[in-house]
Amino acid sequence: DQQVKQNSPSLSVQEGRISILNCDYTNSMFDYFLWYKKYPAEGPTFLISISSIKDKNEDGRFTVFLNKSAKHLSLHIVPSQPGDSAVYFCAASGGTGGFKTIFGAGTRLFVKA
Amino acid sequence: KAGVTQTPRYLIKTRGQQVTLSCSPISGHRSVSWYQQTPGQGLQFLFEYFSETQRNKGNFPGRFSGRQFSNSRSEMNVSTLELGDSALYLCASRINSGANVLTFGAGSRLTVL
Repeated sequence: DQQVKQNSPSLSVQEGRISILNCDYTNSMFDYFLWYKKYPAEGPTFLISISSIKDKNEDGRFTVFLNKSAKHLSLHIVPSQPGDSAVYFCAASGGTGGFKTIFGAGTRLFVKA
Repeated sequence: KAGVTQTPRYLIKTRGQQVTLSCSPISGHRSVSWYQQTPGQGLQFLFEYFSETQRNKGNFPGRFSGRQFSNSRSEMNVSTLELGDSALYLCASRINSGANVLTFGAGSRLTVL
């Protein structure tokens, strides 16, 4: 049962343009959402998060949007840089599963110079 | 402050063998979670330990087990290895089970031949 879905396995963007990574979830009890970035041979690192009581959170070039009615969140990166090329994981926590964090399958972002 | 340390980083086993992976969390972090990462499947939750007690468990067979020691270090064990167990095993720690952000180690890459 895939409770957190990232339907795009990969995304290619030109340097300086906007990158939009999408994520859908099925469990309406999730109350906290996070994005992690992963480079090869390293563990995922926390990027940005949002509580279910908000619809937007911004941190520098990164903004996360949450649409609770659609059970959808997205990560916007503006402007995209070649160093942003990595795998991005969407994650959610809360609900009947306690505080365990459920991850999506990831989206590989390529930023072309 | 030292990060999450996982050992060994790489290992090769044959079918039917068993393996033990180790994780030392960030000092002061009492919760340790384990995830399996395979291509296309993202990070699959294995289990979480807090104060030496298993708090959450994912949908993995009983061949996958874990434990946590009084110093919060954790081990996971996989018995009777199968080819499909080849994966990157990631450990993550947080201060307690209610904290939202996980800090990951670099992972242990297991190859089963």
